[in-house]
Amino acid sequence: DQQVKQNSPSLSVQEGRISILNCDYTNSMFDYFLWYKKYPAEGPTFLISISSIKDKNEDGRFTVFLNKSAKHLSLHIVPSQPGDSAVYFCAAGGNEKLTFGTGTRLTIIP
Amino acid sequence: EAQVTQNPRYLITVTGKKLTVTCSQNMNHEYMSWYRQDPGLGLRQIYYSMNVEVTDKGDVPEGYKVSRKEKRNFPLILESPSPNQTSLYFCASSLFQGGYNEQFFGPGTRLTVL
Repeated sequence: DQQVKQNSPSLSVQEGRISILNCDYTNSMFDYFLWYKKYPAEGPTFLISISSIKDKNEDGRFTVFLNKSAKHLSLHIVPSQPGDSAVYFCAAGGNEKLTFGTGTRLTIIP
Repeated sequence: EAQVTQNPRYLITVTGKKLTVTCSQNMNHEYMSWYRQDPGLGLRQIYYSMNVEVTDKGDVPEGYKVSRKEKRNFPLILESPSPNQTSLYFCASSLFQGGYNEQFFGPGTRLTVL
C-alpha cells in the first residue's frame, strides 16, 4: 500500500525551463511534507518542506505547492540548471515517521 | 563537520552470515532511522528510534534488528541475511521526532547477499 506516490519515474527538461515534479498521497493524517534530492553514491539531502497549514513555500529557485483537498504536492524548479539533475523524493510526515515516495529522476538537458 | 557516517559503504556476503552495519551521528540528534532503497520502491523505513533505548518497527522490519544503547549510534543487525536483503541502506537522524523534522542521511551502504 503505497501511501505516497510519484507517478513519473523520470522527467527531462531543457536547461533554463521550469521543472515540475509531482507527488500524491492518500493518508489525510499527513501534515508535513518534504522534498529530498539524491545524487548517485550519496545519501538524500533535504531540499524544501511545507506544513499543511500553508499552500506554498519558496526557497530561491525552488517552490513547493500543497493542495490538501487533492492530496497533491508539487515541486517547481525555475530556472532548471544542469546541477539539478538528480533523483527527487517527496516525503510525508506525521509524528514519528516520514513516508517516502518512489522517486522521480530529473534530467536537465543543456 | 555535522554528519551521519555509515560503515561499511560496500559489503558482499553470503546467506546466513551475521553482519552489522554501523551508523553514527555527531549532531546530538534524538531520532535515528534506517531505510532501504530498492528500484521502483523508493525509500522504505526498517526501524527507527525516538531516543536511547527506545526503538520501533518501521514498514519493513522483518529480518533486521537494531539497538540504541548510546545517543550517537544506531547499528543495523542482520542475524541471518538472505538474498532478498540485497539493497542500498541508509541511516538518517533528526533533532526530534522524525515526522516533523528534516532528516540527515548517511552516504549509504550497498549490501549484496549471495
